[in-house]
Amino acid sequence: ETGVTQTPRHLVMGMTNKKSLKCEQHLGHNAMYWYKQSAKKPLELMFVYSLEERVENNSVPSRFSPECPNSSHLFLHLHTLQPEDSALYLCASSPGLAGVFGRTGELFFGEGSRLTVL
Amino acid sequence: AQKITQTQPGMFVQEKEAVTLDCTYDTSDQSYGLFWYKQPSSGEMIFLIYQGSYDEQNATEGRYSLNFQKARKSANLVISASQLGDSAMYFCAMKAAGNKLTFGGGTRVLVKP
Repeated sequence: ETGVTQTPRHLVMGMTNKKSLKCEQHLGHNAMYWYKQSAKKPLELMFVYSLEERVENNSVPSRFSPECPNSSHLFLHLHTLQPEDSALYLCASSPGLAGVFGRTGELFFGEGSRLTVL
Repeated sequence: AQKITQTQPGMFVQEKEAVTLDCTYDTSDQSYGLFWYKQPSSGEMIFLIYQGSYDEQNATEGRYSLNFQKARKSANLVISASQLGDSAMYFCAMKAAGNKLTFGGGTRVLVKP
């Protein structure tokens, strides 16, 4: 079983739909992240959770709502999205919110959920 | 603010040859870490190599090595003996103060047989 699992892998939704992306990590990590990867743009950090508490919200519109019920699960609830929200949404985890040094800053990523908003 | 620049949007490399992927960074922090990730078509980002700003030696991990030139603020990735499975997007990233891992725009590598 892979370390970080994301479902669904592909999602098509209309602008009025409500859907959720799910992320589960089996690595015993304490920090989880949502990243957005759009075409021709660098990865954008959206949210960071540490021990189930949100520690960063990177100016993300309220139509994206994260939820972290425990340190192994992370959700991204989607509602009234726009076509420009179509992207690959990547979940990642790390052992903790480590300092700068060492590979403790390494993120372990899932394969992503590719979202298309019509 | 931190910034990562990857100037090569895409490149071809012949199988079994070496390839260098450029990465320059900008930060005012003295302490930082540099990472390279590989993203195959499956979408998953795979960690390749790490270099700390105070590491005196260039990092190496198997066929991957990092050419770290601190004064020039560059952290180029060298892949030796390219394999067909190396075809992917490659991202340079930096972690400085705070919790963010800042990514560059990526370089697409296509290995030709």
